[in-house]
Amino acid sequence: EPEVTQTPSHQVTQMGQEVILRCVPISNHLYFYWYRQILGQKVEFLVSFYNNEISEKSEIFDDQFSVERPDGSNFTLKIRSTKLEDSAMYFCASRGRAGSYEQYFGPGTRLTVT
Amino acid sequence: GQQLNQSPQSMFIQEGEDVSMNCTSSSIFNTWLWYKQDPGEGPVLLIALYKAGELTSNGRLTAQFGITRKDSFLNISASIPSDVGIYFCAGLYTGTASKLTFGTGTRLQVTL
Repeated sequence: EPEVTQTPSHQVTQMGQEVILRCVPISNHLYFYWYRQILGQKVEFLVSFYNNEISEKSEIFDDQFSVERPDGSNFTLKIRSTKLEDSAMYFCASRGRAGSYEQYFGPGTRLTVT
Repeated sequence: GQQLNQSPQSMFIQEGEDVSMNCTSSSIFNTWLWYKQDPGEGPVLLIALYKAGELTSNGRLTAQFGITRKDSFLNISASIPSDVGIYFCAGLYTGTASKLTFGTGTRLQVTL
């Protein structure tokens, strides 16, 4: 069964450093998302991406964040200068064609900023 | 912003018991999804609901889309130990982005 994959599973970085989180969505999906979950809290929307551009972003997704689909398979989230409060689980999700709203999540990347 | 509250916040049940949990919203959604999350893992989709009043089953799970479009319910029958985890509802209003707004979660513990 097709699934969303994410790498790395755990990333430790120092405050102020840049990190890139990587995702491979399900192969025939067209809509891509990043969500984050601070430990013990609910999952929060960050950004949605369709047709090679951002379709919506939340207040959390400020100028320090960017997304890219550099080739036909990868979808990346970059944080330019990490802060302590960026420590969280980051989940990538994807969904198929228009009219299908079921989003499938990856296993997540745990980001720890020290 | 939109608020989705789930109740109960946590529940402890015995194996074999039935479970009911619900999710209420401050605003209308036109699609509801239910997910289960195990510790340290990503949410796994359980059920999707697309019409007000719709009742959908997936094995021992049954979910309903409330007629007001502001709530949804999930029932688990004859619980087993592997049902342990956190159950999240998520609502969305369909459009180009169709972002998910997640509920606060219900933590389920099953004792033998």
